[in-house]
Amino acid sequence: QSALTQPPSASGSPGQSVTISCTGTSSDVGHFNFVSWYQQYPGKAPKLMIYEVRKRPSGVPDRFSGSKSGNTASLTVSGLQAEDEADYYCSSYAGTTKFEVFGGGTKLTVL
Amino acid sequence: EVQLVETGGGLIQPGGSLRLSCAASGLSVSDNYFSWVRLAAGKGPEWVSLLYNDGNAYYPDSVKGRFTFSRDNSKNTVYLLMNSLRADDTAIYYCATYNHARSAFENWGQGTLVTVSS
Repeated sequence: QSALTQPPSASGSPGQSVTISCTGTSSDVGHFNFVSWYQQYPGKAPKLMIYEVRKRPSGVPDRFSGSKSGNTASLTVSGLQAEDEADYYCSSYAGTTKFEVFGGGTKLTVL
Repeated sequence: EVQLVETGGGLIQPGGSLRLSCAASGLSVSDNYFSWVRLAAGKGPEWVSLLYNDGNAYYPDSVKGRFTFSRDNSKNTVYLLMNSLRADDTAIYYCATYNHARSAFENWGQGTLVTVSS
């Protein structure tokens, strides 16, 4: 069982917006502003999409945005495109002992 | 462009040992933080080791004492030696760079599959 809780699936039609949640505790998501999101296509390497809750690495479309409220972080994909269909994982820094904790992943389907 | 290429995975019996390699290009292993992250079927990712640029390595309790993270600067390669392997170590193992300031895994390899089974 993963330390962070994500819905196993999410879906939306092209052009719509979809939000994926990531719920942790006051020891990880709620305590640190170090939440990251990763996109992974089947058989491919994960790709960093969001770091520090809401920052995007160079090259990541601004359709991807992150936010956090309390112990829950969220990834929003706006203007859904077929290429956004993938697995998405969240992670959070959890201190010097646990280091990084991950969510179980959400499979995003573009209808 | 940063590239990380993992090799060394395979089928191994419980109790056996395996060494994974991760050859890096586009950056120096001695100047960066590296990590191994595994992804088992039906589960979320789990970090299994972290190597600081000063050479110190850290492990979660699930692998502490069994896994050893090392590097060879001359080959620009990092390694994960896995001993006393168990069935629950079965997973795809990814090599990744870790940006300590951002607390994020920035570059990932394609992964190598480790299957522990008799």
